Amino acid sequence: EAQVTQNPRYLITVTGKKLTVTCSQNMNHEYMSWYRQDPGLGLRQIYYSMNVEVTDKGDVPEGYKVSRKEKRNFPLILESPSPNQTSLYFCASSFGDRVYEQYFGPGTRLTVT
Amino acid sequence: QKEVEQDPGPLSVPEGAIVSLNCTYSNSAFQYFMWYRQYSRKGPELLMYTYSSGNKEDGRFTAQVDKSSKYISLFIRDSQPSDSATYLCAIEAGGYNKLIFGAGTRLAVHP
Repeated sequence: EAQVTQNPRYLITVTGKKLTVTCSQNMNHEYMSWYRQDPGLGLRQIYYSMNVEVTDKGDVPEGYKVSRKEKRNFPLILESPSPNQTSLYFCASSFGDRVYEQYFGPGTRLTVT
Repeated sequence: QKEVEQDPGPLSVPEGAIVSLNCTYSNSAFQYFMWYRQYSRKGPELLMYTYSSGNKEDGRFTAQVDKSSKYISLFIRDSQPSDSATYLCAIEAGGYNKLIFGAGTRLAVHP
């Protein structure tokens, strides 16, 4: 089954404790992206990657890191999480020339206390 | 001014009603216009996309783009309770490899 998977689905952590949210897709997509979704603000892009070893900032990259060492994986790293990073996070992927047709993962709900 | 504006609702309609969901955008250079549907506790899924102006129909759903007024719409005919979800409009910012989303409109279709 073609899909985007994220882990964990739910995470409660404390300020400053480094964490990684994994994202994997099995559709051989070149493009991958991370979003955060907050009430009233919609989906905002954090980082994206056009292909292996090619990443770039989205609209809200502060406090986040990413890497793309393999085509299928695009982990999101929070090195020192803060309460304002409490949010619902989505990973998405698409073919490189069809960015408008993104497939989303199920989401990761992160709470930072 | 936000690049994409969408009325958050909520919108509550009876089963069988025609639903109209709308967004406005600010940049006339945008070319791809999308509607995503998001059920509670799920990721968004692409409903349909339109390139440039005009209409596109898929079953009970019709997407419409009016580039002259920078207005995009999604119409749902014969709405069903299973259509209850949040609907997100999105624009592809051409050349920037990104989608810009509206805040989403929550729709409830009651039997």
